[in-house]
Amino acid sequence: AQSVSQHNHHVILSEAASLELGCNYSYGGTVNLFWYVQYPGQHLQLLLKYFSGDPLVKGIKGFEAEFIKSKFSFNLRKPSVQWSDTAEYFCAVNAQGNNRLAFGKGNQVVVIP
Amino acid sequence: NAGVMQNPRHLVRRRGQEARLRCSPMKGHSHVYWYRQLPEEGLKFMVYLQKENIIDESGMPKERFSAEFPKEGPSILRIQQVVRGDSAAYFCASSSGVAGNDYGYTFGSGTRLTVV
Repeated sequence: AQSVSQHNHHVILSEAASLELGCNYSYGGTVNLFWYVQYPGQHLQLLLKYFSGDPLVKGIKGFEAEFIKSKFSFNLRKPSVQWSDTAEYFCAVNAQGNNRLAFGKGNQVVVIP
Repeated sequence: NAGVMQNPRHLVRRRGQEARLRCSPMKGHSHVYWYRQLPEEGLKFMVYLQKENIIDESGMPKERFSAEFPKEGPSILRIQQVVRGDSAAYFCASSSGVAGNDYGYTFGSGTRLTVV
């Protein structure tokens, strides 16, 4: 079964700072990788996904993530955060052809104006 | 397109009562997934359904929990004789195909169940 690790559950940073959230997964086969964001009181929204091809994936709102297969990692980055990026961020993985997503515990990010 | 609709948004039940959570998938989506989020935890897969069929219920607790997705109407997650440990946010997602392919999920806003 797949498992996903996200560290630093609570992250507090100032506007314009850079953000990097780590995601490591354990699964030996081919995987699809996702980052979701949940703004306060809202549903999960897809930020970006990786299925194949270029391991550097560009998502919405200036986010990007890099798949490093040798490290089983899919870290999320944003060069300069805004107050509106305050949210919870979830990394998720599924084995290709599998119907279920395995989620990490999430990163609660607070951006101070 | 209204997206994935879940209701109610908040549900309070006393111990021993039944909880019914509803999920209407996006238009054109015939695959529904239920996830549970406990405090300080990530989302945990519960069950995957297609119209009138349960495809994968390996994440469902063995007792008190059931799910259905009838030919007409929303998908229902039913929890009988609720206990305090059932308090959580329950999220529904839908897709047009197997999510391991390039279809992806669309999530609803969730139902927050509180058992008192």
